[in-house]
Amino acid sequence: NAGVTQTPKFQVLKTGQSMTLQCAQDMNHEYMSWYRQDPGMGLRLIHYSVGAGITDQGEVPNGYNVSRSTTEDFPLRLLSAAPSQTSVYFCASSYSGGPTDTQYFGPGTRLTVL
Amino acid sequence: AQKVTQAQTEISVVEKEDVTLDCVYETRDTTYYLFWYKQPPSGELVFLIRRNSFDEQNEISGRYSWNFQKSTSSFNFTITASQVVDSAVYFCALSEAGQGGSEKLVFGKGTKLTVNP
Repeated sequence: NAGVTQTPKFQVLKTGQSMTLQCAQDMNHEYMSWYRQDPGMGLRLIHYSVGAGITDQGEVPNGYNVSRSTTEDFPLRLLSAAPSQTSVYFCASSYSGGPTDTQYFGPGTRLTVL
Repeated sequence: AQKVTQAQTEISVVEKEDVTLDCVYETRDTTYYLFWYKQPPSGELVFLIRRNSFDEQNEISGRYSWNFQKSTSSFNFTITASQVVDSAVYFCALSEAGQGGSEKLVFGKGTKLTVNP
C-alpha cells in the first residue's frame, strides 16, 4: 500500500511551458484534492474531485486544469506556466470526503518556474 | 467565510519546555471540523488530530494535548516536555460540513516551532 504518490518530486520550468503533475493513490479513495503551499501562506486548495469524472474548483484554480478519469489518478495540468506558480504542490485523498475522514497527503512536488 | 488564524509565525523553545500553539477559526456553520497537521523539515504533512464542533472534550495523546473552546473559537495545541523532534511547522485547518467534506480544508498559515537542545 503506497498511499498517495506524487511525481515528479522536483521540476523546473520556463515561463510558458506546460506540464502535468501526477498524483495517484491506491487506497480506493473517492476524494482527491490539490493544494499549493507558498511561504507564509499555508496551503490553499486548487481543485478537488469527489469521484471519477467529477471535479470542481477550489480557492485558487486559475492557471490549472484537472481531470479524473479513474479513481486512482488525479493529474494537475499547468497549461502555460508562470513564475507565480512557483510553489510546492500537495495532492491529498480521503475515503469518502466526509468531514470525518482523514485526508492523506502525498510527499509534494516542488515546482520552480523561471 | 471560513478563516483560520495562527497568529504565532515562529516559536523557539528549549527542550523540555511546554509550548502552546494557538489557532483561532471563523465559520458560520454550526457543524464543522478542526484539524492539526505537522510538517517536519522533510516536507510531508502528517495528520495529528481531527475534532468535530459537537465535541468540546479536550484530548490528550502522549505529550500532545488539544484544547477546543467554542466560546472563543479556538483550538489550541500544547506539546508538553518538547523534544528536538517536535521541530516542525504546524498547521491548523478547518472544514465545514456544509461545504461537502474534508476535501475542502482551509489552512492557517502555520506556526514554525523550533525546539533547541
